[in-house]
Amino acid sequence: QSALTQPPSASGSPGQSVTISCTGTSSDVGAYNFVSWYQQHPGKAPQLIIYEVSKRPSGVPGRFSGSKSGSAASLTVTGLQAEDEGHYHCTSYAGSNTWVFGGGTKLTVL
Amino acid sequence: EVQLVESGGGLVRPGGSLRLSCAASGFTFNTYSLNWVRQAPGKGLDWVTSVSSSGRYTYYADSVKGRFTISRDNAKNSLYLQMNSLRVEDTAIYYCARDTIALGWAFDYWGQGVQVTVSS
Repeated sequence: QSALTQPPSASGSPGQSVTISCTGTSSDVGAYNFVSWYQQHPGKAPQLIIYEVSKRPSGVPGRFSGSKSGSAASLTVTGLQAEDEGHYHCTSYAGSNTWVFGGGTKLTVL
Repeated sequence: EVQLVESGGGLVRPGGSLRLSCAASGFTFNTYSLNWVRQAPGKGLDWVTSVSSSGRYTYYADSVKGRFTISRDNAKNSLYLQMNSLRVEDTAIYYCARDTIALGWAFDYWGQGVQVTVSS
């Protein structure tokens, strides 16, 4: 149950695009399409923004998108806005009814 | 409106025990599996344990297996986490979170979290 690997930080200017990677193994990200992403603002609970690699729950803006290639998933935020600043966490199903998270990425809007 | 409200956190000595609760409302409790996810200070999220909708099946991260026990009372719409033999590294905010097959078992609702501090 090793954690997925995310960059500790990412940044971009308003209006720009930024991509956050999430690297796992052939036992988690590479094996299942059950990758989800969560946004977390300081002092708040995480909120689901992407599920099943690339699907957006109702109410999540279209500027958030997800993808996967092999054992690596990624989250892209296009048209960055100030309210997108926060932490982003990826998670993947890891088999045997267990889940593994990444270490989280702090996104700064410059 | 779906709500998950945790309680029971606090300060405990290493080796001690604590029981967390999560009160749920706004959805049909006995049709969803539930989880505990924790976040150590300044760290990422860490899945701890889950329980099936009936309570019959439970699953644990290796780091807590044999020390933590998840349970639920569907008559009371409540989720619990019994934590024994606590270690300093168990210090974290503990969130209860619902998962749903409709969204690929993603965690679609979270509580506000409860602080657990293990220190001498």
